[in-house]
Amino acid sequence: SQQGEEDPQALSIQEGENATMNCSYKTSINNLQWYRQNSGRGLVHLILIRSNEREKHSGRLRVTLDTSKKSSSLLITASRAADTASYFCATGGGADGLTFGKGTHLIIQP
Amino acid sequence: DAMVIQNPRYQVTQFGKPVTLSCSQTLNHNVMYWYQQKSSQAPKLLFHYYDKDFNNEADTPDNFQSRRPNTSFCFLDIRSPGLGDAAMYLCATSRRRGAADTQYFGPGTRLTVL
Repeated sequence: SQQGEEDPQALSIQEGENATMNCSYKTSINNLQWYRQNSGRGLVHLILIRSNEREKHSGRLRVTLDTSKKSSSLLITASRAADTASYFCATGGGADGLTFGKGTHLIIQP
Repeated sequence: DAMVIQNPRYQVTQFGKPVTLSCSQTLNHNVMYWYQQKSSQAPKLLFHYYDKDFNNEADTPDNFQSRRPNTSFCFLDIRSPGLGDAAMYLCATSRRRGAADTQYFGPGTRLTVL
């Protein structure tokens, strides 16, 4: 069954603006990961946040996690055309593999 | 340098004609996964190998099988492809089986069924 649900499903912004994507999940987690997928390509791991962390940064990426609300957000600051991609949150891993949300398709307009 | 390699990148087969997709890795990771991703959908786990231990997802059709002859290679066999099996097939690896491990994905093989 689907664990993560991203919103919005699609997001179009101007280059230089910030992009925020949200993910909600249903069951308890040990960690949550975000992946990026360029059109027709494989997924690239962006960041992992553990259940005892509330916020994590990596370059222009900021991820938050609220386990009480079972939600996470991914913020991309100062967006670039190269950030155009689909972004997925994923939970699980290990023996069960990853369960991905439906993804947010982000378009950065030049 | 490519770490997870999938061949071919594009595969066209006929309805009912068996097809094999290939994945290899240079990371020496213990775990290899196969995901199916249909158009505009999330990747869905089909099965994975932890070393030689095969783990099938409960809802993976019997039509799909996998082989892992050694650490580096893993194959996805589709015995009798149907039109509904047209999708992107993604191979991934992880070093450990633990929940906090990053997965490394190949570029995918896009399967078309005529």
